[in-house]
Amino acid sequence: RKEVEQDPGPFNVPEGATVAFNCTYSNSASQSFFWYRQDCRKEPKLLMSVYSSGNEDGRFTAQLNRASQYISLLIRDSKLSDSATYLCVVNNQAGTALIFGKGTTLSVSS
Amino acid sequence: EPEVTQTPSHQVTQMGQEVILRCVPISNHLYFYWYRQILGQKVEFLVSFYNNEISEKSEIFDDQFSVERPDGSNFTLKIRSTKLEDSAMYFCASNIHHSNQPQHFGDGTRLSIL
Repeated sequence: RKEVEQDPGPFNVPEGATVAFNCTYSNSASQSFFWYRQDCRKEPKLLMSVYSSGNEDGRFTAQLNRASQYISLLIRDSKLSDSATYLCVVNNQAGTALIFGKGTTLSVSS
Repeated sequence: EPEVTQTPSHQVTQMGQEVILRCVPISNHLYFYWYRQILGQKVEFLVSFYNNEISEKSEIFDDQFSVERPDGSNFTLKIRSTKLEDSAMYFCASNIHHSNQPQHFGDGTRLSIL
């Protein structure tokens, strides 16, 4: 089983749409969870940390289910500028490294 | 907002040559990392560094790789004898505390081995 698994997409949605991404991770000892965003040939940029209680940042909502080892990201009212690859990231057991999924590509069109 | 800076942005090197990639982490951060991303693939962990020693390294980080913090600001990755398969984007990252804090990434060095 891959350490962090994501649907690669691409997800092609119109502006204003709501889109959800899912992610599963294999290491039950992981303690920290993040969504990063990566534009083409650029560095990963932190979008948000993911907490057990779920958290929201504007149009973005992240959820974590530790029992199922499942993380989600919901984007409401998609903008053209949301077009990017969204990376699901967890830390390793020791907390000394980040483990990345391959990413889900989102394309928002007008 | 403080940021991680990396130089050079693009490095072209002949196979077998040594290359040094440089990074200046965010000034109050204590933990430093190198990752690489081969074109079209996922970001992969190479090494973490704290208190002037390696905390953890992946199986990618073999004897050809080394890291150093030569002064109070720079953090370097050296590849001793480059191979074609070392061609990738190399990202430096840092954070204040390793366990639950997100890591902040530099904009990367594109390494091309000919």
